[in-house]
Amino acid sequence: NAGVTQTPKFQVLKTGQSMTLQCAQDMNHEYMSWYRQDPGMGLRLIHYSVGAGITDQGEVPNGYNVSRSTTEDFPLRLLSAAPSQTSVYFCASSYSTRGRVGYTFGSGTRLTVV
Amino acid sequence: KNEVEQSPQNLTAQEGEFITINCSYSVGISALHWLQQHPGGGIVSLFMLSSGKKKHGRLIATINIQEKHSSLHITASHPRDSAVYICAVRSKETSGSRLTFGEGTQLTVNP
Repeated sequence: NAGVTQTPKFQVLKTGQSMTLQCAQDMNHEYMSWYRQDPGMGLRLIHYSVGAGITDQGEVPNGYNVSRSTTEDFPLRLLSAAPSQTSVYFCASSYSTRGRVGYTFGSGTRLTVV
Repeated sequence: KNEVEQSPQNLTAQEGEFITINCSYSVGISALHWLQQHPGGGIVSLFMLSSGKKKHGRLIATINIQEKHSSLHITASHPRDSAVYICAVRSKETSGSRLTFGEGTQLTVNP
């Protein structure tokens, strides 16, 4: 099915561990982004990419790395997990046609760092 | 102050009631989006607005660009409408497809 696939859905990490959250889309969207969602706050942009080979920082990039080697994949890496990174993470992709922009979100990854 | 403010934060209604969720923003925008997040966590795009009004089924979204305000209305509400409704804007100042989100409105519709 077309859409954005995020894995894993749930993850528990120990402080200091590293891991990669996977995000893949099959809609040939150029723009992809990662957000985190915390209680009492709106979704906040971590990193984004406007196309393969191009990435940039969002509002809250510290502690996270991204790469975009293909149009389809946009993994998010936690270098050394900290309890402050406990959150729900969403990947999204978007298209732009004649000034109209549509978004598709993944189902989210609930990450707990202990 | 957040660039995007939603009200109310929480809303409880009885089935059949007319519901309004408000969104105010402080920046010039190219578009405003309304999203729905169900209890399972998935986020679905409901509307994209740059002017006027849009309707889809029982959902109506309006925007007033001059007043920097948008509303999402749900007519004849139903328990399945229970979800978090999120307003997000694409600012004219930021590049590409970046969105700035409100905190969301938790809607609970009781039978």
